[in-house]
Amino acid sequence: DAMVIQNPRYQVTQFGKPVTLSCSQTLNHNVMYWYQQKSSQAPKLLFHYYDKDFNNEADTPDNFQSRRPNTSFCFLDIRSPGLGDAAMYLCATREGGPYEQFFGPGTRLTVL
Amino acid sequence: RKEVEQDPGPFNVPEGATVAFNCTYSNSASQSFFWYRQDCRKEPKLLMSVYSSGNEDGRFTAQLNRASQYISLLIRDSKLSDSATYLCVVNILNNNDMRFGAGTRLTVKP
Repeated sequence: DAMVIQNPRYQVTQFGKPVTLSCSQTLNHNVMYWYQQKSSQAPKLLFHYYDKDFNNEADTPDNFQSRRPNTSFCFLDIRSPGLGDAAMYLCATREGGPYEQFFGPGTRLTVL
Repeated sequence: RKEVEQDPGPFNVPEGATVAFNCTYSNSASQSFFWYRQDCRKEPKLLMSVYSSGNEDGRFTAQLNRASQYISLLIRDSKLSDSATYLCVVNILNNNDMRFGAGTRLTVKP
């Protein structure tokens, strides 16, 4: 009964080779988030969507882009991955209002 | 000053111990508060929402102090399975940003 699904779970890419991570949800939540989490650090918010409204964090590098073609799906595009982009990427959804987030299992990205 | 700050930890406690974590937030407009648990190499999972009146769920008690802008989590009778990182998360009303603290690592030992 997975509610937030991320694919792939593990992604290996080469330095500079574009990569796309996928997130889908069955919860019909308005808000979808992308976080980057490095070892022993808290999740860092990259951006989020409220419906189709896109909100970028000020310190999110231009190398990171996102698309949300419909309510269910959201994609994270890394245009030219660097070694420093190796991390766990977490997708989360939320209904909006004072409610909690639901996280997907994450995609672990390795950059060679 | 960070928006959300937590006890740095790590906390290493014996089974059966009581342990408390604190979290402070800087934005007085913050309205929703949560404790998440994250196991190694897994996603965060909601442990508890934190309500104004405080709330309890079994061995876990969460408190909110709006005047001092902090929340706390108390774990009684610690189990080995409580070993994890505990993340404090804060949301501002009418804003969809969810801000995480750096997390506090707990290890419960036999």
